[in-house]
Amino acid sequence: QKEVEQNSGPLSVPEGAIASLNCTYSDRGSQSFFWYRQYSGKSPELIMFIYSNGDKEDGRFTAQLNKASQYVSLLIRDSQPSDSATYLCAVQGNAGKSTFGDGTTLTVKP
Amino acid sequence: DTEVTQTPKHLVMGMTNKKSLKCEQHMGHRAMYWYKQKAKKPPELMFVYSYEKLSINESVPSRFSPECPNSSLLNLHLHALQPEDSALYLCASSQEPSWETQYFGPGTRLLVL
Repeated sequence: QKEVEQNSGPLSVPEGAIASLNCTYSDRGSQSFFWYRQYSGKSPELIMFIYSNGDKEDGRFTAQLNKASQYVSLLIRDSQPSDSATYLCAVQGNAGKSTFGDGTTLTVKP
Repeated sequence: DTEVTQTPKHLVMGMTNKKSLKCEQHMGHRAMYWYKQKAKKPPELMFVYSYEKLSINESVPSRFSPECPNSSLLNLHLHALQPEDSALYLCASSQEPSWETQYFGPGTRLLVL
């Protein structure tokens, strides 16, 4: 079992729809959770971070964390073609050690 | 300002060359990281520096040698690399070496011939 697993892609949604990205993790001691967006050939760009159970909203993005289920998700509302990218879930424990999922490639079709 | 800079942007080197990658941040962050990312794969952690001291080495081959001259600078010295070491090398930093947000630089794309 991988330490961090993301729903397999690619994921394709029409413009204006909601895109749902999911991530599960195996280490119950994990303390912080991040979603990064990565365009082809570029470095990861932080989209959201979440530390506590529940929802966290930032504009069109909502991160959801359920530590009991070891599950974190990212919802993108009103998806735009510019949201087309690979989304990486990262789970971090102590000492700054981050583990990334394999990523989910999202395509938003106009 | 959450900027991490990396130089060079691109690097081509032979297997007998010695080169260095450079990373800089001026955010007062006390933790700095090196990651390696192959095409269509996630970043893999290589090294973590905490308060200028190496705190994590993820069993990286000795042909990669990190150095942290001061709290703002991080270098990665490369020697006798193999073609399979060709990848995007990413530097990141965070306020503290804990569970805090890591900010990535733009990366150095390395090609080993």
